[in-house]
Amino acid sequence: ERVMTQSPATLSVSPGERATLSCRASQSVSSDVAWYQQKPGQPPRLLIYGTSTRATGVPARFSGSGSGTEFTLTISSLQSEDFAVYYCHQFNDWPQTFGQGTKVEIK
Amino acid sequence: EVLLLESGGGLVQPGASLRLSCVVSGFSFRSYAMSWVRLAPGKGLEWVSAISATSISTYYADSVMGRFTISRDNPRYTLYLQMNSLRAEDTAVYYCAKSAVTGYFYGLDVWGQGTSVTVSS
Repeated sequence: ERVMTQSPATLSVSPGERATLSCRASQSVSSDVAWYQQKPGQPPRLLIYGTSTRATGVPARFSGSGSGTEFTLTISSLQSEDFAVYYCHQFNDWPQTFGQGTKVEIK
Repeated sequence: EVLLLESGGGLVQPGASLRLSCVVSGFSFRSYAMSWVRLAPGKGLEWVSAISATSISTYYADSVMGRFTISRDNPRYTLYLQMNSLRAEDTAVYYCAKSAVTGYFYGLDVWGQGTSVTVSS
């Protein structure tokens, strides 16, 4: 099983600042990584797939990068609606797996 | 509009069974792989199971292998998850989700609102 480890567990950021979230795979997952945002009481929302492709309607302040075992989600200038939990997800091998999540909170 | 609507959750005792359903609309269901993902209280997302567009291939998390069965009825635009021998650790909100790309298991671009399953005596 490919274990996805996210860091940090919690990220405290002020509105307007940049946020960088990391995800490390225990083995290579090529570019088969997606990122999701989840708010309390809501289903996850796809932000990025294929490591760096923004999903439909996702603002340009969200970007993804990486390959192999190291992946990054960057939010260039945090808006109030961006405070949430973010998950990475690998779909390269079975079973598919999610990271444990990074909570982005207001500093 | 693409919609996914789960149902079938509830409160059951350990060892019981439940069948979750996910009725979809707004896209060509038979062209997309589908998945179930769950969120347990205080935990993160856990991938549970996936099925190919034609049902030829099915996959499961180790935690549910041998107890859960995923299936689909393409003419009825419905995805299922049969859950047997339920345990307390299966307590979660269960989401169905659609693959973002036709014909492939990929990122999940549309999700239902979820159905809650509680396993408790």
